[in-house]
Amino acid sequence: ETGVTQSPTHLIKTRGQQVTLRCSSQSGHNTVSWYQQALGQGPQFIFQYYREEENGRGNFPPRFSGLQFPNYSSELNVNALELDDSALYLCASSTGTEETQYFGPGTRLLVL
Amino acid sequence: GQQLNQSPQSMFIQEGEDVSMNCTSSSIFNTWLWYKQDPGEGPVLLIALYKAGELTSNGRLTAQFGITRKDSFLNISASIPSDVGIYFCAGPPLWGGATNKLIFGTGTLLAVQP
Repeated sequence: ETGVTQSPTHLIKTRGQQVTLRCSSQSGHNTVSWYQQALGQGPQFIFQYYREEENGRGNFPPRFSGLQFPNYSSELNVNALELDDSALYLCASSTGTEETQYFGPGTRLLVL
Repeated sequence: GQQLNQSPQSMFIQEGEDVSMNCTSSSIFNTWLWYKQDPGEGPVLLIALYKAGELTSNGRLTAQFGITRKDSFLNISASIPSDVGIYFCAGPPLWGGATNKLIFGTGTLLAVQP
């Protein structure tokens, strides 16, 4: 059984740029959730995708957007990067009917 | 954003000691999850609780779902150096928004001295 994978592991961008982060869900899981974790804090929910549609969103601006593909992998896109977007971005997968989520290793984004 | 309150904020113990930490909320939860996170890594699921009063063990770890459904507890027995990390409680809230999003606690940092 393959776990959740994310790419890239680290990324450095400058303010105003755009970034795309990728996530492959665990085998058998059809739901992907994205979280932002600032240093010293717990993860904060960004949004969730189920069957290629957004299934709920946290308190994040529209410049945070996402996609889910037919194989259930997902992308997180962030436009017009700000310094405060520097964080660990976590992807978690689950089945559509269960609340237990399994996390990937994360992508560390640094915005300069 | 919304968070669950965890205590203590940090713990510094000797190897072999037992550890207790808890997580509280002002609202009820139907599921409580406990995760451990190492620096720069993603959270790893330790224990999942689905029923009020439930007591579940995973090796040296034991977690309980509080009867009021507003709290949960995690105990680690006979701690070892690899227990070092940040422990988070989490759960899907019953109020507004996505049904399966997780709200995370503030975290408990555990340091174990050999």
